[in-house]
Amino acid sequence: QKEVEQNSGPLSVPEGAIASLNCTYSDRGSQSFFWYRQYSGKSPELIMFIYSNGDKEDGRFTAQLNKASQYVSLLIRDSQPSDSATYLCAVNNGFSGGYNKLIFGAGTRLAVHP
Amino acid sequence: KAGVTQTPRYLIKTRGQQVTLSCSPISGHRSVSWYQQTPGQGLQFLFEYFSETQRNKGNFPGRFSGRQFSNSRSEMNVSTLELGDSALYLCASSFGDRSTDTQYFGPGTRLTVL
Repeated sequence: QKEVEQNSGPLSVPEGAIASLNCTYSDRGSQSFFWYRQYSGKSPELIMFIYSNGDKEDGRFTAQLNKASQYVSLLIRDSQPSDSATYLCAVNNGFSGGYNKLIFGAGTRLAVHP
Repeated sequence: KAGVTQTPRYLIKTRGQQVTLSCSPISGHRSVSWYQQTPGQGLQFLFEYFSETQRNKGNFPGRFSGRQFSNSRSEMNVSTLELGDSALYLCASSFGDRSTDTQYFGPGTRLTVL
């Protein structure tokens, strides 16, 4: 079992729709969770981070965390063609051990079509 | 505030050579992590440095090494290059001393091994 799992996609949504991206993780001791966006040929760009169970909203983005189910999701409202990218879910499971270590999922490719 | 910088941005080497990549973190950040990204394996953790000490290392051979200087700048070195080392090498910086730590990525160095 991979430590962080995501559907590779592509996830295709029409412009203006809600895009829902999902991620599961295996280490119950994980403390912090991140969503990065990566355009082709570019480096990952931080979109959202979440540490506590529940929802966290930032503009058109909402991150949801359910530690009991070991599940993290990202909702993108009013999707735009510029949102078309690969979305990487990452989990930091090192801090309790005194270090940083991000474990990444394989990424979900999102395509927003006009 | 300036972001994470990496030099060089592109490198072409031949098998058997060695290479050194450099990373300058965001001002005030003391943690630098290195990642390798390939189409087949995705983003994989190489190692993390904090205050000049390597705190953790991923599952890579000893040909991959790194160091961190007193100003938090970091270098990674790959010796005896192999074709499979062709990848995008990313460094990320963070404060490194809190459970809510967030890593920010540099633009990456694209290494091609011929």
